[in-house]
Amino acid sequence: DAMVIQNPRYQVTQFGKPVTLSCSQTLNHNVMYWYQQKSSQAPKLLFHYYDKDFNNEADTPDNFQSRRPNTSFCFLDIRSPGLGDAAMYLCATSRDEGGLAGDEQYFGPGTRLTVT
Amino acid sequence: RKEVEQDPGPFNVPEGATVAFNCTYSNSASQSFFWYRQDCRKEPKLLMSVYSSGNEDGRFTAQLNRASQYISLLIRDSKLSDSATYLCVVNGGGFKTIFGAGTRLFVKA
Repeated sequence: DAMVIQNPRYQVTQFGKPVTLSCSQTLNHNVMYWYQQKSSQAPKLLFHYYDKDFNNEADTPDNFQSRRPNTSFCFLDIRSPGLGDAAMYLCATSRDEGGLAGDEQYFGPGTRLTVT
Repeated sequence: RKEVEQDPGPFNVPEGATVAFNCTYSNSASQSFFWYRQDCRKEPKLLMSVYSSGNEDGRFTAQLNRASQYISLLIRDSKLSDSATYLCVVNGGGFKTIFGAGTRLFVKA
């Protein structure tokens, strides 16, 4: 089945130790998104890629970076995790072939990050 | 004012009840609207898109009122399995996707 896959599902890292979360998709969608969701809060968009074009949300901290080496894969790099970065990180994709940004998004199962 | 606001909940309803959720958005240029369902510690899953003409999928009906910048979701004949958090999602254009904080629903036997 076509899907959005995230690895690992659970990640523990130490304060200040860089960590990379990965996302892959078999949907062949143009757009990939990264969200941060803290307990009992809404998912918050960090950034998205439309093909290779990277778009950062204005309030996304510099500590968060992303790479999309090809259509299928997208990575979230947290350069120096702080305790406040502990959250669920969700990857999503959408088709948006016309660039109209109107398509629904399909989410991966998320990676739950713990910072010790 | 938040860009997307939802009823805070939680809603506690018996099986078989009808329940309605409301959502308002601040950006009048918003282009597309969705309802997602999120179970505890799981990812959001698309429940339905919301069209100007309104749409229905089984027990679920969604309405959009652009003039009032208002979206609603109606669930009829609630089931225990409907217990979840319901997220209102608004696309403000240019891939800017904004989630509401969600409304928790508990359906009791």
